[in-house]
Amino acid sequence: LAKTTQPISMDSYEGQEVNITCSHNNIATNDYITWYQQFPSQGPRFIIQGYKTKVTNEVASLFIPADRKSSTLSLPRVSLSDTAVYYCLVGENYGGSQGNLIFGKGTKLSVKP
Amino acid sequence: DSGVTQTPKHLITATGQRVTLRCSPRSGDLSVYWYQQSLDQGLQFLIQYYNGEERAKGNILERFSAQQFPDLHSELNLSSLELGDSALYFCASKRLTGLNTEAFFGQGTRLTVV
Repeated sequence: LAKTTQPISMDSYEGQEVNITCSHNNIATNDYITWYQQFPSQGPRFIIQGYKTKVTNEVASLFIPADRKSSTLSLPRVSLSDTAVYYCLVGENYGGSQGNLIFGKGTKLSVKP
Repeated sequence: DSGVTQTPKHLITATGQRVTLRCSPRSGDLSVYWYQQSLDQGLQFLIQYYNGEERAKGNILERFSAQQFPDLHSELNLSSLELGDSALYFCASKRLTGLNTEAFFGQGTRLTVV
């Protein structure tokens, strides 16, 4: 089980790009990197997942260097509604019978006006 | 709406009591996960079921137990409740179809032990 390390908290202002980096030095060959977002008193919500290089969707981008020992979640032009906790998960992700879903403490992002 | 339904949404009970939390996964999802989240704490993984069988166990107390039924809904039983058991309890479901991309979480059950 790959251990992840992320900053405990980050502050930003509306309209800025936010990059949250997650370290996972002992990531295994079969491991995927997945990010979830959680608003207060709500269940986490999937944001993005990747294996290598770069993945982009309508919400965020995920950058993964060649050694895969870290990953960066990039949120373009954040708004107040992006204030949330962001979790980085690393693990095998094939098949519902496995599908590692162990959450760390996450990064609490505060977006200010 | 994630498609995962948890009932009840709120529950207030006294110390020493027993409660049952229910989770209905998304249609077709075989895996159910349970989590506990205390105030300002991270998500603590409790237990996972897959197609009726226990698949993985986390930091689940002996006073807690769970099961997944043939219709795939799951129940988390909490007994001999203590004040410290007050928390949000989430369940999540995941599908088994090749490369699985995401888990879907319910809105949670807020348990208050008084």
